[in-house]
Amino acid sequence: YVLTQPPSVSVAPGKTARITCGGNNIGSKSVHWYQQKPGQAPVLVIYHDSDRPSGIPERFSGSNSGNTATLTISWVEAGDEADYYCQVWDSSSDHLVFGGGTKLTVL
Amino acid sequence: EVQLVESGGGLVQPGGSLRLSCAPSGLTVSINYMSWVRQAPGKGLEWVSVIYSGGRTYYADSVKGRFTISRDNSKNTWHLQMNSLRVEDTAVYYCASGISGSYGYWGQGTLVTVSS
Repeated sequence: YVLTQPPSVSVAPGKTARITCGGNNIGSKSVHWYQQKPGQAPVLVIYHDSDRPSGIPERFSGSNSGNTATLTISWVEAGDEADYYCQVWDSSSDHLVFGGGTKLTVL
Repeated sequence: EVQLVESGGGLVQPGGSLRLSCAPSGLTVSINYMSWVRQAPGKGLEWVSVIYSGGRTYYADSVKGRFTISRDNSKNTWHLQMNSLRVEDTAVYYCASGISGSYGYWGQGTLVTVSS
């Protein structure tokens, strides 16, 4: 099972960033999103398509339907600049799958 | 706050072996599954293996037959035994766990370098 993410997304401060994660019928799976800053371990920012862990700002939201899941970051700040990864569990192969990652650049 | 602490990384020659360990601290919930995830220099996240509390294990195709994931219940520690290491196994290895399929707990990572 393959998850496809755009390599990079750029956005100006205060604007909205949308990072997509494409997969065959991904809408039937539970998608999780991670933020990773240089030299640090990943941090879970969205789980189960659209739930936010405690401590994650409301600016982070998620959706999942059809063949595309989307991580939306509203009112983007400089501190949001990082790599973002989507993740699912593929029950047909019993493999955990990560997307290739998207580098978010804040202009 | 739950923390996972990895150990055991280092430099090893191709064909060699290494055992990584992962121990949780500050744990207030049961760990139902533990995965190892690696990240080669400048690359993305790659899942390696998972073990569930009932003992089920699964492996990425790239490591199946060479790596073994296990849990030491007496020490509440998880291990990744890595044999027949290859240059392409060079990466930072993270142990990770969480709830309902997501991974909210990560270790700081341990570097494994396979080189002659």
